[in-house]
Amino acid sequence: QKEVEQNSGPLSVPEGAIASLNCTYSDRGSQSFFWYRQYSGKSPELIMSIYSNGDKEDGRFTAQLNKASQYVSLLIRDSQPSDSATYLCAVNTQGGSEKLVFGKGTKLTVNP
Amino acid sequence: DVKVTQSSRYLVKRTGEKVFLECVQDMDHENMFWYRQDPGLGLRLIYFSYDVKMKEKGDIPEGYSVSREKKERFSLILESASTNQTSMYLCASIPDLNSGNTIYFGEGSWLTVV
Repeated sequence: QKEVEQNSGPLSVPEGAIASLNCTYSDRGSQSFFWYRQYSGKSPELIMSIYSNGDKEDGRFTAQLNKASQYVSLLIRDSQPSDSATYLCAVNTQGGSEKLVFGKGTKLTVNP
Repeated sequence: DVKVTQSSRYLVKRTGEKVFLECVQDMDHENMFWYRQDPGLGLRLIYFSYDVKMKEKGDIPEGYSVSREKKERFSLILESASTNQTSMYLCASIPDLNSGNTIYFGEGSWLTVV
């Protein structure tokens, strides 16, 4: 079974700090990687996607991908209390019918 | 914007009842999915469909079936609901996984089986 692993947390950071979220995946053939944010009681919403090795920045968010190490991360700079949520890593899997596999999520709390 | 609509947001059903969860997307997407989400277990794929009348089992299909008679509609069916199927169910759609598109979710259906 293709797997996506995340630290379950919870991760707690002070307001203004950098929050670092990590994800590893087992399928070497994966090509597309996504980070979703999910507030309590809500459905996941996409915040970042990344397809090639290196960094991708969007505002306060930076996604980092290292396919050789099968590792993808999300950095949140200048963390705000509104960033408090569960962050889900998702990876497309190859082989057979392609589908998106999610990690179990990391709960982030940003303390004012 | 892509809109994925789950018509039933909150349901309470009795054990043994047949339950239908409906999902409609308005962007002509080929692929549709049903996940369930439980605390500590994350999102788990139940079934998915890549075309009308086509379906494939996900990771936890037992106790569920699906129907895709029209491209825009993907239904999840619990033939005989059980208490261990109490969960939050998420429908999602995507045009094509190979093109790097991302998946869009409905708002979720909270099902309680008593």
